Amino acid sequence: ELKVEQNPLFLSMQEGKNYTIYCNYSTTSDRLYWYRQDPGKSLESLFVLLSNGAVKQEGRLMASLDTKARLSTLHITAAVHDLSATYFCAARSGTYKYIFGTGTRLKVLA
Amino acid sequence: EAQVTQNPRYLITVTGKKLTVTCSQNMNHEYMSWYRQDPGLGLRQIYYSMNVEVTDKGDVPEGYKVSRKEKRNFPLILESPSPNQTSLYFCASSFGRLADTDTQYFGPGTRLTVL
Repeated sequence: ELKVEQNPLFLSMQEGKNYTIYCNYSTTSDRLYWYRQDPGKSLESLFVLLSNGAVKQEGRLMASLDTKARLSTLHITAAVHDLSATYFCAARSGTYKYIFGTGTRLKVLA
Repeated sequence: EAQVTQNPRYLITVTGKKLTVTCSQNMNHEYMSWYRQDPGLGLRQIYYSMNVEVTDKGDVPEGYKVSRKEKRNFPLILESPSPNQTSLYFCASSFGRLADTDTQYFGPGTRLTVL
């Protein structure tokens, strides 16, 4: 049974600093997703990672995937206040089931 | 505008009173899914549908029903709601294919309170 664990659950960081959110999954999954959720809002897709060694970047966010370690990371570079949100990773089990992590609530302090 | 819509956005009801939350997408997506979001638990999948008339259980299907009679609509039915179904519900859709960019698009959410 596929399980997804994220850490940390909460992250408070200063503007301008770098940090990484980790997403571990327990069994084979053919793709890994990252989503962002602003308070009181819906989820917005950030990245889809398909293969081992995949790396995608959008602005100050970079996501990577290591399928052998069953680990994905979301790296934040030089954080700004606008990045404050909850970030979820999700893995796909089979073709149609999705398992989400519990989320990482990020707060960027000025 | 490409979107997933849900109605109602907010609902307060009482135990045992049947309710339906509607979900509709205008992107011609094959795949649709329902999730519930609870504090500390992330999102958990309730049911999903791969195409019209094809549905299957997610991780937490107990107490819920779905139907997919049309490609664009995927209602969530609570036949006899109970307080433990108080939650934030999201509908999502995607093409369901193997394309690199295939990802789920989420509706705005329905906050349900069962008293």
